[in-house]
Amino acid sequence: DAGITQSPRHKVTETGTPVTLRCHQTENHRYMYWYRQDPGHGLRLIHYSYGVKDTDKGEVSDGYSVSRSKTEDFLLTLESATSSQTSVYFCAIRGQGLSTDTQYFGPGTRLTVL
Amino acid sequence: EDKVVQSPLSLVVHEGDTVTLNCSYEVTNFRSLLWYKQEKKAPTFLFMLTSSGIEKKSGRLSSILDKKELFSILNITATQTGDSAIYLCAVEGASGTYKYIFGTGTRLKVLA
Repeated sequence: DAGITQSPRHKVTETGTPVTLRCHQTENHRYMYWYRQDPGHGLRLIHYSYGVKDTDKGEVSDGYSVSRSKTEDFLLTLESATSSQTSVYFCAIRGQGLSTDTQYFGPGTRLTVL
Repeated sequence: EDKVVQSPLSLVVHEGDTVTLNCSYEVTNFRSLLWYKQEKKAPTFLFMLTSSGIEKKSGRLSSILDKKELFSILNITATQTGDSAIYLCAVEGASGTYKYIFGTGTRLKVLA
């Protein structure tokens, strides 16, 4: 447990509605990440952040935006949800491992877009 | 383009068997390789490897990295039903942005 929480844990929404997922960490880590996980694709990076107000795109960023106004919170927004965005979303941080930095995951959010 | 390939995609064994999972990679400016275990929830960290030829070990699990041939293996000896999970490999490139590229995983099922 690296002090990462995600909310909500489950959400069902309609196509075309905006959705915001929240990732919260308590240990002041600089790097935070949003991934989606789909069968056959593994974990794919959506966006990541390397500091407050510093964010960049990952490999599957279309249809998603992020914001990081405080170190502890990293928000993922689906501007207009589509059925292809039905997925499990994981937040991660790059934290201090036993000898050097490694990546730890939050519990995940299961999103269903009808 | 950076990529990570895991094999096999899935594997079914019986308790007590030994399994070897493979991860090969092509990543610019390799920094580290990570192994995770994922049951029906978030991935949990197993090992991080940065140097060739140095085995990391935790109980019945062990892993080693070959930076010349660009691959890693994860061994599980005396498998148990509790080892049933998806095993994920991820590689970190040192481009200054600390991004991780994941393979699609190996699904392991251990039968009693």
